[in-house]
Amino acid sequence: KNEVEQSPQNLTAQEGEFITINCSYSVGISALHWLQQHPGGGIVSLFMLSSGKKKHGRLIATINIQEKHSSLHITASHPRDSAVYICAVTGTASKLTFGTGTRLQVTL
Amino acid sequence: ETGVTQTPRHLVMGMTNKKSLKCEQHLGHNAMYWYKQSAKKPLELMFVYNFKEQTENNSVPSRFSPECPNSSHLFLHLHTLQPEDSALYLCASSQRGATNEKLFFGSGTQLSVL
Repeated sequence: KNEVEQSPQNLTAQEGEFITINCSYSVGISALHWLQQHPGGGIVSLFMLSSGKKKHGRLIATINIQEKHSSLHITASHPRDSAVYICAVTGTASKLTFGTGTRLQVTL
Repeated sequence: ETGVTQTPRHLVMGMTNKKSLKCEQHLGHNAMYWYKQSAKKPLELMFVYNFKEQTENNSVPSRFSPECPNSSHLFLHLHTLQPEDSALYLCASSQRGATNEKLFFGSGTQLSVL
């Protein structure tokens, strides 16, 4: 069992839908990262958070430290949001551990 | 554009070939990383360099040989690879090398070993 679990593994949504991707982890952490990987491979860091909530445009990331859970929300989804979204955590041993990603496809 | 450039984007090599992957960052960062991404598996950290010194080797086989001549450049020399080494190899950089800071990734090199 991975230390970082994401759900769902695959997600298809229609343009305009509100999307939620979940990340659960089993270790104590000092930070959690959400990353976006587009077809072609490049990865972009979306958020790094250790508590509460962060917002950037249509993206919102939340974290509940007590429940060891984070969510990434996309409002008013668009086909250009189609990508793999990866959750990663920095454990207390300063090791960065990645989830396997959630593949999102947004259709017209 | 993340400020981290990797070449080549695609590479096909035989098991007896020797090739090198190159990474360059224009961000003034002090730490650089090589990651391996295989299908349906999480990213795996391979090597970390901080101020040109290797600070982590994550039990990587010796057929992968990293080189960091300065804080802006990182190479991964490949020789006698196996087909199971086929994967996307990603370079990343960060300011200080702390794991709770933001990483900046290149676009990766998609490697196929025949």
